[in-house]
Amino acid sequence: EPEVTQTPSHQVTQMGQEVILRCVPISNHLYFYWYRQILGQKVEFLVSFYNNEISEKSEIFDDQFSVERPDGSNFTLKIRSTKLEDSAMYFCASRGGGTLNEQFFGPGTRLTVL
Amino acid sequence: KNQVEQSPQSLIILEGKNCTLQCNYTVSPFSNLRWYKQDTGRGPVSLTIMTFSENTKSNGRYTATLDADTKQSSLHITASQLSDSASYICVVSANTGFQKLVFGTGTRLLVSP
Repeated sequence: EPEVTQTPSHQVTQMGQEVILRCVPISNHLYFYWYRQILGQKVEFLVSFYNNEISEKSEIFDDQFSVERPDGSNFTLKIRSTKLEDSAMYFCASRGGGTLNEQFFGPGTRLTVL
Repeated sequence: KNQVEQSPQSLIILEGKNCTLQCNYTVSPFSNLRWYKQDTGRGPVSLTIMTFSENTKSNGRYTATLDADTKQSSLHITASQLSDSASYICVVSANTGFQKLVFGTGTRLLVSP
């Protein structure tokens, strides 16, 4: 069964460093998403991406964040200068067309900022 | 402000027993409501999706209900198993065209032998 994959599973970085989180969505999907979940809190929407551009973003997704689909398979989230409060689990999700199509989530990348 | 509230926050039940989890939402414009199961340290997995016109939907031992008038939903788990131990998250999709999901805080369920 096709699945969303994410790498790395755990990333530790120093405050102020740049990180890139990688995702490989399901191959025929068209819509891509990033979410984050701070430990013990709810999952929060960051950004949606369609047709090679951002379609919607939350107030969390400030100028420190960017997303890219550099080729036909990868979808990345870059945090330019990490802060302690960026420590969280980051989930990538993808779906096909249609409003009711299920979003499939990856296993997540745990980001720890020291 | 779009919000999804869930109760109880946590629940412990004996294996084989049933339980019901509650969800209230204030998301507008409403598109659909989903229940997800999230194992610790993993991504959420969809259990059910319901639109405005659907009152109930089942997926095996999971049955979700939706009352769009009162903006309430429930998830009923029948004959619980140890593997049901997880967080159950109520998620409402706002009708923005790109399926923006608003997550509840989840109910942490522990099924005890």
